[in-house]
Parts: sequence; structure tokens; C-alpha cells
Amino acid sequence: GQNIDQPTEMTATEGAIVQINCTYQTSGFNGLFWYQQHAGEAPTFLSYNVLDGLEEKGRFSSFLSRSKGYSYLLLKELQMKDSASYLCAVREGTNAGNMLTFGGGTRLMVKP
Amino acid sequence: GAGVSQSPSNKVTEKGKDVELRCDPISGHTALYWYRQSLGQGLEFLIYFQGNSAPDKSGLPSDRFSAERTGGSVSTLTIQRTQQEDSAVYLCASSLDPGGFSLKNTEAFFGQGTRLTVV
Repeated sequence: GQNIDQPTEMTATEGAIVQINCTYQTSGFNGLFWYQQHAGEAPTFLSYNVLDGLEEKGRFSSFLSRSKGYSYLLLKELQMKDSASYLCAVREGTNAGNMLTFGGGTRLMVKP
Repeated sequence: GAGVSQSPSNKVTEKGKDVELRCDPISGHTALYWYRQSLGQGLEFLIYFQGNSAPDKSGLPSDRFSAERTGGSVSTLTIQRTQQEDSAVYLCASSLDPGGFSLKNTEAFFGQGTRLTVV
């Protein structure tokens, strides 16, 4: 099993930068994913980290520290359309395969 | 198909009736996941399939819930004697399974979900 914690809600201003943190406890770590979910829609993939460090993809970056069980998603130059829930998910390798477990999600509200 | 397909998209059922939800994963994806999401909440893990077998059924809320997968492809989630607390969006996702530690991103792709309402 695993515990995945992330803040429930965050608010930020259009054009600003926001960092969404995720902490996890797991054995057999085998990758961490960030997903974006707009209200009423299915989650869509944003980023993947399996080694320590920063992965950058346009306005979005994701960081991982395996020793600390910690990741963050960094959103730059915020736009109104970035208002959504951001889900941290950890893949855990077990004898039976790979489990993919999600945190509760962080609801981000971007204000003008 | 090009993506994960779920049917029906919406289902309204009377309390006590059985319902069956279907998921067609992306062709070739060996891993298949079922999640449940209540309004404004995160994704609650239900069950995971590796091929046709379910290594982890720990997330199923009660014995009224069951799932199967045939031919390493289509999966059905069955809820017997539905209760009002079963009302939620049921999401299915599939992915290639890396079979261990992998640098390769094998993201899970989600279907649009089935919105179940028990009245």
C-alpha cells in the first residue's frame, strides 16, 4: 500500500507561477505521474518522473526526489484555462505487477 | 479504437438493481485499472488487471462489486444490488505495463467514464 498526500486546494493569479507538492510513501517505487483533470472530464497525462531531478515540458515542469518521497508540479505563466484539478499518481511495482495509485488531487483556481 | 472506450456514458438505475459497466482498453495494453470518483473527490482505486488476472482486488468496496477481463482486452465491472452510495463516475484506464522498473513512460490513458446514478 501507499500514502499519497497533496494539498486539497490552491489559488493563484493569472500570469504567476504555482508549485503543487506531492509526498508519498511506498515500497517498490516505479514512477510518478502528474495528471490534469478539468471538471467533468477524464484525467489527461502531464508528466512522468522515475529518476531524481526536473523534467521540463513547456510551461509545466515536474520534479522528483525519491529519497524524500517528494514531487512537485510547477506551472508557469498561469492561464485561466489552467484552472483544474492536478492529480499525483505513483506506480508501485509488486510481485503481481504494477499498481497505479492516485492522490486526492489539488484543485487549482486561477484568478484574473 | 484509438482510445479507451467506456459504455454506457450515463446510467440511471433503481436501488437494488444490478448494473454492468464496460471498458474497451487501447489495443495491446496489458494493464487495466478501474477507479471510482465521487463529485469533487479524488480517484478511488477499485481493481487492477494484468492481462486477464486481477493481482489486486483490495479496492473493491464490498462483495457486491466484481470485475472480469477476457481475452486480455475488454473488462466489465458489475455492481449487484446497487445502493445510493454507489453513485459516482466510474473511470477505466489502460497502459502498457513496463514489467518492472522502467525509464520508459508508460502513462495510463483514461476513458471518459460512466456516470452512475442510483435512485
